[in-house]
Amino acid sequence: AQRVTQPEKLLSVFKGAPVELKCNYSYSGSPELFWYVQYSRQRLQLLLRHISRESIKGFTADLNKGETSFHLKKPFAQEEDSAMYYCALRFGGFGNEKLTFGTGTRLTIIP
Amino acid sequence: EPEVTQTPSHQVTQMGQEVILRCVPISNHLYFYWYRQILGQKVEFLVSFYNNEISEKSEIFDDQFSVERPDGSNFTLKIRSTKLEDSAMYFCAIEREGPYEQYFGPGTRLTVT
Repeated sequence: AQRVTQPEKLLSVFKGAPVELKCNYSYSGSPELFWYVQYSRQRLQLLLRHISRESIKGFTADLNKGETSFHLKKPFAQEEDSAMYYCALRFGGFGNEKLTFGTGTRLTIIP
Repeated sequence: EPEVTQTPSHQVTQMGQEVILRCVPISNHLYFYWYRQILGQKVEFLVSFYNNEISEKSEIFDDQFSVERPDGSNFTLKIRSTKLEDSAMYFCAIEREGPYEQYFGPGTRLTVT
């Protein structure tokens, strides 16, 4: 069965410091990985997907199949990065496939 | 980013009552999903819907739940007889061909008393 683990429930980082949100997964096939962000009282928003290899709002994430990880990184944290971050996985790259979410990490940026 | 709205934003109901949650995608999409998030827990998949039928459902999605697109636009989730443990945020997600990315609505907070 597919599973996503986000080991940190809470993470506090000073403004300007590097950020790393951890995500590990277990899946027997070739999964597709995503990061979603939820700002206070707003909807879940897609932040990154591993196949696009884009950098959004300064965040990047690399899929490491050997370590089964998809950690989210940003070199310099900004106050507006404070939010709830969810790592998610699904099978394949086409539609009609459910997302399996991790439990989320609440990131707080300290001014 | 595609837009999707959900109504109501908050629904309070008594145990045993029926509720209907609505999802309204602004543009044309192929795939529809419902997820829920119990307070303090992770987002969980309930059901996926394509071509007017259920594609996949989770163990949570028992006989008390049903989905439909009654008018080809709205996508609804019905809970026939609500239980206390159905209290949660319910999110609709939509997806279309090409990017195959799921976009979430703002959610409906369901409170069962």
